Amino acid sequence: QVQLQESGPGLVKPSETLSLTCTVSGGSIGGYYWSWIRQPPGKALEWIAYVHDGGSTFYNPSLKSRVTISVDTSKRQLSLGVSSVTAADTAVYYCARLGYSSGLLSFFDYWGQGILVTVSP
Amino acid sequence: QSALTQPASVSGSPGQSITISCTGTSSDVGGSNFVSWYQRQPDKAPKLILHDVSYRPSGVSTRFSASKSGNSASLTISGLRAEDEADYYCSSKTSSGAWVFGGGTKLTVL
Repeated sequence: QVQLQESGPGLVKPSETLSLTCTVSGGSIGGYYWSWIRQPPGKALEWIAYVHDGGSTFYNPSLKSRVTISVDTSKRQLSLGVSSVTAADTAVYYCARLGYSSGLLSFFDYWGQGILVTVSP
Repeated sequence: QSALTQPASVSGSPGQSITISCTGTSSDVGGSNFVSWYQRQPDKAPKLILHDVSYRPSGVSTRFSASKSGNSASLTISGLRAEDEADYYCSSKTSSGAWVFGGGTKLTVL
């Protein structure tokens, strides 16, 4: 059973960079696409980006200028960086694995429990 | 890309059926077969319960079903059980290759 666990600081100061890690266990990390998704308090889930260990990445256009996503298969980890954070970046951040349908990326079949990150002085 | 629209809450008694709607646009739900639904129970990771509009992953109860018509999708849970109490989210892949989610619906089993 694939399991994902997010980790990182729960509090980040405005204008700084938010850095999170997701550790994957119970399955292969290579050969899959991995995503970050977040949910600000009281708002909808928001897809952030995906990454493949082959180097392919794709970002939500609304966040692209501030977001970096990467994967380290040797550590079985994916990472997320969000620069120049503001209070609007306060959210529960989830990592998730993307599943295929008819050869195309379709759905998120495994998720972490999420980590709350608060942006505050 | 705007979030998909879901009712904030629905409720039903054990044994009853409920339906949760999910409304988008022709750029997402209306133009995509990659509509999926997720269940999030307290203190648990979100769980995929339906994908590609109406396909159930292995292990998901047949009490969960879904469909799509035009720019709207819907999730139906039949034979409600106390364990179904959770937040439910719809999602759709968009014409730009990104994903958009709904705001979530809190299901209360009375």
